[in-house]
Amino acid sequence: NAGVMQNPRHLVRRRGQEARLRCSPMKGHSHVYWYRQLPEEGLKFMVYLQKENIIDESGMPKERFSAEFPKEGPSILRIQQVVRGDSAAYFCASSPRDRGIYEQYFGPGTRLTVT
Amino acid sequence: GENVEQHPSTLSVQEGDSAVIKCTYSDSASNYFPWYKQELGKRPQLIIDIRSNVGEKKDQRIAVTLNKTAKHFSLHITETQPEDSAVYFCAASIRETGNQFYFGTGTSLTVIP
Repeated sequence: NAGVMQNPRHLVRRRGQEARLRCSPMKGHSHVYWYRQLPEEGLKFMVYLQKENIIDESGMPKERFSAEFPKEGPSILRIQQVVRGDSAAYFCASSPRDRGIYEQYFGPGTRLTVT
Repeated sequence: GENVEQHPSTLSVQEGDSAVIKCTYSDSASNYFPWYKQELGKRPQLIIDIRSNVGEKKDQRIAVTLNKTAKHFSLHITETQPEDSAVYFCAASIRETGNQFYFGTGTSLTVIP
């Protein structure tokens, strides 16, 4: 059973460009969470999605950030018009959340650098 | 929203000694408390968790205790080894309303051989 996959692992973007981060959850997991980790800081919740639904986006910046989890394919976190402050590691985690299972399993992260 | 505080931010111990990391949370509705270990440049990995209906849980050298009244929980690592060196994060969530994790700021543990 493959773990949570994220790509790309490293992404360099110039200010003003768009960044697209992809997350494929573990097989059988239908719940995806995105977290952001700024340098030397902890993980901050951004958004929680199920297939075709955004359940909670309370941690997402109001502008430039969006997320989706389509019926087919990976979950995508999209950052438009990136700025230097967006440089961080972005982790997704997946969970089955059935039969009382609430553990979240993290992907390897995408390290975004904005130049 | 939930606020999780974690102490200490750095911790150095001699190999073989015990390490204790403490966290407090603000939302009394939180009922799931996982601990993650993150090595430099790697993904966070779940090492142990505890639910609010349990006061203590142990897995070999690692144990977690929970005091719901005081809203704090702690990670205990006994007989520390150099490979325990990493950053440890606590988190709190409410399972029924989405299970979004709210993390502490992390503890950098160094085990000195």
